[in-house]
Amino acid sequence: TQLLEQSPQFLSIQEGENLTVYCNSSSVFSSLQWYRQEPGEGPVLLVTVVTGGEVKKLKRLTFQFGDARKDSSLHITAAQTGDTGLYLCAGDPTSGTYKYIFGTGTRLKVLA
Amino acid sequence: EAGVAQSPRYKIIEKRQSVAFWCNPISGHATLYWYQQILGQGPKLLIQFQNNGVVDDSQLPKDRFSAERLKGVDSTLKIQPAKLEDSAVYLCASSLVVYEQYFGPGTRLTVT
Repeated sequence: TQLLEQSPQFLSIQEGENLTVYCNSSSVFSSLQWYRQEPGEGPVLLVTVVTGGEVKKLKRLTFQFGDARKDSSLHITAAQTGDTGLYLCAGDPTSGTYKYIFGTGTRLKVLA
Repeated sequence: EAGVAQSPRYKIIEKRQSVAFWCNPISGHATLYWYQQILGQGPKLLIQFQNNGVVDDSQLPKDRFSAERLKGVDSTLKIQPAKLEDSAVYLCASSLVVYEQYFGPGTRLTVT
């Protein structure tokens, strides 16, 4: 069974600080996604990375896929209160099926 | 463009009762997914439809859960009889392109 472990589980920081959350597995994934989920809502897709070593930037968010395609990180620069939410990674273990397995999530709270 | 609609948003039932959830995907999206998200965990795929055919139901507890997608549009997920451990948020998602899922707000089920 492929497992995606996310760390830290919880993170509380002040507005303006930088942070990095991690998504790790012992399995190889053909692609990996990051979502943000706010209370009472469904997850919203932020990015999909497909190539080992790939780096994608979305405004203040930087996503990296590990060279071996077993891990990923999400870095947020100058966090804002609007970044508060549950960050989920999801990996596709089998190329072409796009059946994503979700990690347990990192709950981020950004304080004003 | 309207998003994925789900109803009800909240449901409280006693164990051994039955319950049904409804999902209306984004217009034109052929693929529909049902996920179960237990508190503190990431979503787990229960069933995936392509039009009105089942693509994957390997993680659906078929002794108590059933789902259908009539005419390839709306879908219902039923639990009968419910157990305490079914307490969770049930998320519906749809996609036009398989790696871009759009989630609905979910139905929060509490089984007492």
